[in-house]
Amino acid sequence: DAGVIQSPRHEVTEMGQEVTLRCKPISGHDYLFWYRQTMMRGLELLIYFNNNVPIDDSGMPEDRFSAKMPNASFSTLKIQPSEPRDSAVYFCASSLTGQRTDTQYFGPGTRLTVL
Amino acid sequence: GESVGLHLPTLSVQEGDNSIINCAYSNSASDYFIWYKQESGKGPQFIIDIRSNMDKRQGQRVTVLLNKTVKHLSLQIAATQPGDSAVYFCAENAGGTSYGKLTFGQGTILTVHP
Repeated sequence: DAGVIQSPRHEVTEMGQEVTLRCKPISGHDYLFWYRQTMMRGLELLIYFNNNVPIDDSGMPEDRFSAKMPNASFSTLKIQPSEPRDSAVYFCASSLTGQRTDTQYFGPGTRLTVL
Repeated sequence: GESVGLHLPTLSVQEGDNSIINCAYSNSASDYFIWYKQESGKGPQFIIDIRSNMDKRQGQRVTVLLNKTVKHLSLQIAATQPGDSAVYFCAENAGGTSYGKLTFGQGTILTVHP
């Protein structure tokens, strides 16, 4: 299995631009998570989906952030407009079932730099 | 608010030594804990987990200890190798309806010197 796939691996953009991060979960996994990692705040859960449906988006910082999962094999996290404080590493993770103790498998992350 | 935190931000050891990484948690409702390893440029990787009905769990070269009385979690790595150099995170899941909501600690940087 290829694991969780994220693209791009690095993104540099200017303030005000729209940024779209992409994720392909492990095939057959029903849960998909988006995290953000910064030095100041560590790893934070932004939103997660179950069977393509958003379950909890309470971690999404503000309306500039949106996430979609149009099908079981693809999800996007969009920031519009982007700001320098959005600079971080964004991780996508997936897990197989709805069991709370199920392992979350992380992708390699997208390093976003907003100038 | 309640959070998971670490006592030591960095730990340096010699190859072959045993390493102990500590984690304190404050949410008494937490009943499931996980240790993740994150190497440079990669995403966190699951190492080992433990449920609150256990005090100890062993894996390959790793042992997790849970002390619910003082809300403390530790990860022990035996015969530490240079490949163990990474950032280690503890995470908790408080359960209830909050499936998937892992709360991560700030991380400990482990450096293993050959």
